[in-house]
Amino acid sequence: DQQVKQNSPSLSVQEGRISILNCDYTNSMFDYFLWYKKYPAEGPTFLISISSIKDKNEDGRFTVFLNKSAKHLSLHIVPSQPGDSAVYFCAASPNFQGAQKLVFGQGTRLTINP
Amino acid sequence: DAGITQSPRHKVTETGTPVTLRCHQTENHRYMYWYRQDPGHGLRLIHYSYGVKDTDKGEVSDGYSVSRSKTEDFLLTLESATSSQTSVYFCAISEGGDPRYEQYFGPGTRLTVT
Repeated sequence: DQQVKQNSPSLSVQEGRISILNCDYTNSMFDYFLWYKKYPAEGPTFLISISSIKDKNEDGRFTVFLNKSAKHLSLHIVPSQPGDSAVYFCAASPNFQGAQKLVFGQGTRLTINP
Repeated sequence: DAGITQSPRHKVTETGTPVTLRCHQTENHRYMYWYRQDPGHGLRLIHYSYGVKDTDKGEVSDGYSVSRSKTEDFLLTLESATSSQTSVYFCAISEGGDPRYEQYFGPGTRLTVT
């Protein structure tokens, strides 16, 4: 059973507009959430994270929103740039258990059109 | 970039043969992880290590074993490869076990089992 779900396999956005990527989770024990970005033939790279005690975290053009009651998080990219074209994975972590046991979603392929 | 290398980068092997993938780091990080990435599943944790000779199972550990005899090396072994183990394998490292410590990923190994 998929505990972290990204229901949109792909998303296409015009350059300069806002990109919104969504992620849902089912396990209420998750208390830390992360977004990773992946280019073809490379490993994922960390983008932004949020703790369950917050509902928003910003880093430049990237903002993550967390709605705990709905078990939903989203990543906003404003403005979108061609270099943002990549696969984005959301991930969730349960309470600290001695090692990071990240649970990833299936990924959303974002394409930014010029 | 974090110093993580994976070898080999590509491998084709036959069903039933043993395969060992190597992850090497130059960062002296305590934690190391092996993931597999498959379409529709995102990344799934296979095994992880929290120190030399200290390892534990992840979400999809059946058919895999690991060893860590030195801080810098984490080996993943498929004792008898099956076609269902065709995947892209990523190694990751982190300085701490708390998810607030960033995980750094290697470039991946594409394994095909025929």
